[in-house]
Amino acid sequence: LAKTTQPISMDSYEGQEVNITCSHNNIATNDYITWYQQFPSQGPRFIIQGYKTKVTNEVASLFIPADRKSSTLSLPRVSLSDTAVYYCLVGDNNNDMRFGAGTRLTVKP
Amino acid sequence: SQTIHQWPATLVQPVGSPLSLECTVEGTSNPNLYWYRQAAGRGLQLLFYSVGIGQISSEVPQNLSASRPQDRQFILSSKKLLLSDSGFYLCAWSSTRIANNEQFFGPGTRLTVL
Repeated sequence: LAKTTQPISMDSYEGQEVNITCSHNNIATNDYITWYQQFPSQGPRFIIQGYKTKVTNEVASLFIPADRKSSTLSLPRVSLSDTAVYYCLVGDNNNDMRFGAGTRLTVKP
Repeated sequence: SQTIHQWPATLVQPVGSPLSLECTVEGTSNPNLYWYRQAAGRGLQLLFYSVGIGQISSEVPQNLSASRPQDRQFILSSKKLLLSDSGFYLCAWSSTRIANNEQFFGPGTRLTVL
C-alpha cells in the first residue's frame, strides 16, 4: 500500500489560491492519485483523480510531476465553503487505498 | 441515478449491547461496498469491504462483523459494543467496472457508546 503524507492543517483567505501537496514516495506504476473533500458530519466527496501531468475539472486542478512521488491539489479562489478536510489517496484499486488523516483547510474571511 | 442509504442517522447504545447498522444502495448492480469508521477529529479507517454477496474482507481485528446478504445491502454488526466503538460510521460504494473508480459515501451513522 502506497503511503501518503500531507500537512495536518492549512489556513487561507477568501479569494486566494490554495495548494495542498501530498507526498507518496513509494507510488507504484499502476497507482492513481485521488483526492476527496470532507465536510463535518458528512462522508467524503470525490474531487479529482489523475495519473500524471495535470488534470483539471470544474472544482480543482491536480498537478503531478514526472516522478509521481508527490502531487498538488490546487483550489482556485477559495471561499469560506471550501473549509473542509482534504484527503489524498494513492492506489490502483479502491480496496487497497486508504484515507489518512487528511489536511484540514480553514478559509478565513 | 444511484443513491446510498444508511440508518439510523444517530444511535446511543450502552456498553455491551448489540449493534446493527444497515446500508443499501439503489440504482446500480454488483457494487463494491465499504464500511468505514471515523473517530472524532481523525481520518477514516476502513473496516470491511465486499466485492460480492457473501464476500467480506476484514481490515482490522475488532469486535465488529459485516455481512452482505443481498447484492446492494451491507450490514455492520456487533454482539457487544465497547466504548472504543463510538464514532461516525460511513458506508460507501464504488463500481466494480473500474477498480479505482470514485467511492460514493452515505450520510453516515453517528454512534455513541456509553
